[in-house]
Amino acid sequence: AQTVTQSQPEMSVQEAETVTLSCTYDTSESDYYLFWYKQPPSRQMILVIRQEAYKQQNATENRFSVNFQKAAKSFSLKISDSQLGDAAMYFCAYSTGNQFYFGTGTSLTVIP
Amino acid sequence: GAVVSQHPSRVICKSGTSVKIECRSLDFQATTMFWYRQFPKKSLMLMATSNEGSKATYEQGVEKDKFLINHASLTLSTLTVTSAHPEDSSFYICSASGVASGRHSSYNEQFFGPGTRLTVL
Repeated sequence: AQTVTQSQPEMSVQEAETVTLSCTYDTSESDYYLFWYKQPPSRQMILVIRQEAYKQQNATENRFSVNFQKAAKSFSLKISDSQLGDAAMYFCAYSTGNQFYFGTGTSLTVIP
Repeated sequence: GAVVSQHPSRVICKSGTSVKIECRSLDFQATTMFWYRQFPKKSLMLMATSNEGSKATYEQGVEKDKFLINHASLTLSTLTVTSAHPEDSSFYICSASGVASGRHSSYNEQFFGPGTRLTVL
């Protein structure tokens, strides 16, 4: 069975600093997708970044980048130059076929 | 990204009544819609997956007679909580995947609605 694990329930970072959120997953599939979603206090889920498993190059979106280690089944999110607006719950997610699995989330606090 | 709306955003109802929540894909045809439930400071729990024109597939432990899902068109899915009880109070989120305007949204990408907070008194 596919599972997604986020081992950090809470993280904090100083404004303008860099923080890395961890995610590991378990799968026997070779073709799948990985995502990081942000859920701010408004509760709207926002896609932050997406990685296709067949791509070796790590995805980047402005200040957000991932470290995708397929063999280790690890998919961490790095947020550079953290901003107050980055404060939110972050969910790692795995998808294959029509199945979608979320991790338990990491609550990120940004300290001014 | 594509836009998904939910209505209502908040609803308060009395125990024993039924509540309908609508999920609409505004600029694309959603061949598949998903319904999630989220408890405070917890992750999203998938309740069911529905494909347009067919019966929903419910996750284990979700009562299909209590949570009625209808996906009658490519832009609308509804979740009806029948005979609601206080333990049904929660945040319900829908998401949709399908063909987005201008580009293809594969089944591996979901677009989320803003959620509905249900409070049953």
